[in-house]
Amino acid sequence: GAGVSQSPSNKVTEKGKDVELRCDPISGHTALYWYRQSLGQGLEFLIYFQGNSAPDKSGLPSDRFSAERTGGSVSTLTIQRTQQEDSAVYLCASSFRFGGRDEQFFGPGTRLTVL
Amino acid sequence: DQQVKQNSPSLSVQEGRISILNCDYTNSMFDYFLWYKKYPAEGPTFLISISSIKDKNEDGRFTVFLNKSAKHLSLHIVPSQPGDSAVYFCAASAREGAQKLVFGQGTRLTINP
Repeated sequence: GAGVSQSPSNKVTEKGKDVELRCDPISGHTALYWYRQSLGQGLEFLIYFQGNSAPDKSGLPSDRFSAERTGGSVSTLTIQRTQQEDSAVYLCASSFRFGGRDEQFFGPGTRLTVL
Repeated sequence: DQQVKQNSPSLSVQEGRISILNCDYTNSMFDYFLWYKKYPAEGPTFLISISSIKDKNEDGRFTVFLNKSAKHLSLHIVPSQPGDSAVYFCAASAREGAQKLVFGQGTRLTINP
């Protein structure tokens, strides 16, 4: 079956503009995660959604970042008033269950460049 | 503060020999550890994991060792193959908030023919 897909694969934007990044998780997966990888760094947790529960937003770096998950499937990560330090690869992952230690399957990422 | 550290940004190994990738962690609450492999322009893919109740887990050519007293884990690949050339990330999670993986910076492994 299809894996996790993300769009766009690349996004170049000007400082101050808003951007939306999309994630389509694996069908049937109830948990969805967003991470980002800045240059030379490991993946940094941003937010996760599990079923119908309130999302864990503890990793979001500022209130310019928000995410939603519609219908328990597709998720959108929005960054408002982008800054140059937001430049990174944004990765989405999904897993079958929430809780436990289920394997997280990652998408290919969206490379965001803020000029 | 970097809770999971991979101090070697790169490693070069001859084909057929053993590759050893190292990872250190500082948070004593971590009880589950994973290794992910990443090719360029692709997302990381799960390789192998280990629970803190074990000190070794083996899957084919891949073995992960955990030394809890030293807060250190390592991934052994033997024999190394050219297709193993990739970036390897170590990750950890705690029982509380188990869904949140904390990743190291990654080690780029190159297998030379």
